[in-house]
Amino acid sequence: AQSVSQHNHHVILSEAASLELGCNYSYGGTVNLFWYVQYPGQHLQLLLKYFSGDPLVKGIKGFEAEFIKSKFSFNLRKPSVQWSDTAEYFCAVNAGTNAGKSTFGDGTTLTVKP
Amino acid sequence: KAGVTQTPRYLIKTRGQQVTLSCSPISGHRSVSWYQQTPGQGLQFLFEYFSETQRNKGNFPGRFSGRQFSNSRSEMNVSTLELGDSALYLCASSVSGQGAVVQYFGPGTRLTVT
Repeated sequence: AQSVSQHNHHVILSEAASLELGCNYSYGGTVNLFWYVQYPGQHLQLLLKYFSGDPLVKGIKGFEAEFIKSKFSFNLRKPSVQWSDTAEYFCAVNAGTNAGKSTFGDGTTLTVKP
Repeated sequence: KAGVTQTPRYLIKTRGQQVTLSCSPISGHRSVSWYQQTPGQGLQFLFEYFSETQRNKGNFPGRFSGRQFSNSRSEMNVSTLELGDSALYLCASSVSGQGAVVQYFGPGTRLTVT
């Protein structure tokens, strides 16, 4: 069975600080990897995705993530956070043959202080 | 294109009652998945429908059921509601639910069971 582990439950940063959120998954086959963001009062939005190819993927709002297959990791990064990045971030994985069934991590709440 | 829509947005029900939630996927999307989001359990997969057939099912009791219509719209039903069913129920749609596809999420239906 697939599982996803997000190491940080709550992260507090000041504006302009750099961000890295950890995500590790457990699955033996080919996977699709995602980061979603949920702003307060809003629905889940896709930040970025990895299907294949270049392991460094860029998403919206300056976010990027690196897929390291040997470490089963897909960490999210942003060089300089803004107050508007305050939100909950979810890492998710699914098997390409079963892309309608995603497994999510527990989420990381990011608070950015102005 | 219009996004995934869910109705109603909010529901209050009494323990023992049943409830039906509705989801309209993005036009052209044939895969519809349902998730339950709670503070304690996070995002958990309920089931996925494709071409009016349930293709995947999560680990939820039989009180949770769903169906999909020929226009890809989907409904989920929860019978004999329990207090623990209080949650945000999210619907997600994708083109096919297989391969390199993205699931797009609706705003959710907030169900409160009293």
